[in-house]
Amino acid sequence: AQKVTQAQTEISVVEKEDVTLDCVYETRDTTYYLFWYKQPPSGELVFLIRRNSFDEQNEISGRYSWNFQKSTSSFNFTITASQVVDSAVYFCALYGGATNKLIFGTGTLLAVQP
Amino acid sequence: EAQVTQNPRYLITVTGKKLTVTCSQNMNHEYMSWYRQDPGLGLRQIYYSMNVEVTDKGDVPEGYKVSRKEKRNFPLILESPSPNQTSLYFCASSFNREGGSEAFFGQGTRLTVV
Repeated sequence: AQKVTQAQTEISVVEKEDVTLDCVYETRDTTYYLFWYKQPPSGELVFLIRRNSFDEQNEISGRYSWNFQKSTSSFNFTITASQVVDSAVYFCALYGGATNKLIFGTGTLLAVQP
Repeated sequence: EAQVTQNPRYLITVTGKKLTVTCSQNMNHEYMSWYRQDPGLGLRQIYYSMNVEVTDKGDVPEGYKVSRKEKRNFPLILESPSPNQTSLYFCASSFNREGGSEAFFGQGTRLTVV
């Protein structure tokens, strides 16, 4: 079975703090893809990153960074120097070739206070 | 501009009155899918389509129908809506079914069934 767990339901930080959103996944596929999406208060879903199972290199994009560790089945997302505009619900998702579908975690609501 | 367009954005209807939510993409994507988003449950897939005339059930297909007569359109049909179908619905499309490309999401349709 495929599963994505985002254990943190809500996180509240003060602006400029660093914050890490956890994502743990389960899959039996050897080839799979992991995603992060952002859902701001306006409701749309914004793609942030895709990572395939053969690429364990960490990625950095501005204040965003992602840490993919197959050994712990985790794909964590860190925001450095958080800003109020980062306030949103963040979803981690898994795509496995055997299922042809994107499995989402339950999301983490991040509130960045000024 | 590449986009997935859903209509309507908001809909209030009564139990049992058939409705259709339209979804159209202009990226020539093969893969399209429908999700519903409920508090605490994340996004769950309703139906997906790998190409024209090819559709299959997702995790929560009961009470829904879809069709894929043209590549660009993937309407979601509720033949007899019930209050438990009150939810936020998203249509998505991606280049292929292998997860090698990110899913583009529509703006969402907030459906209330009374």
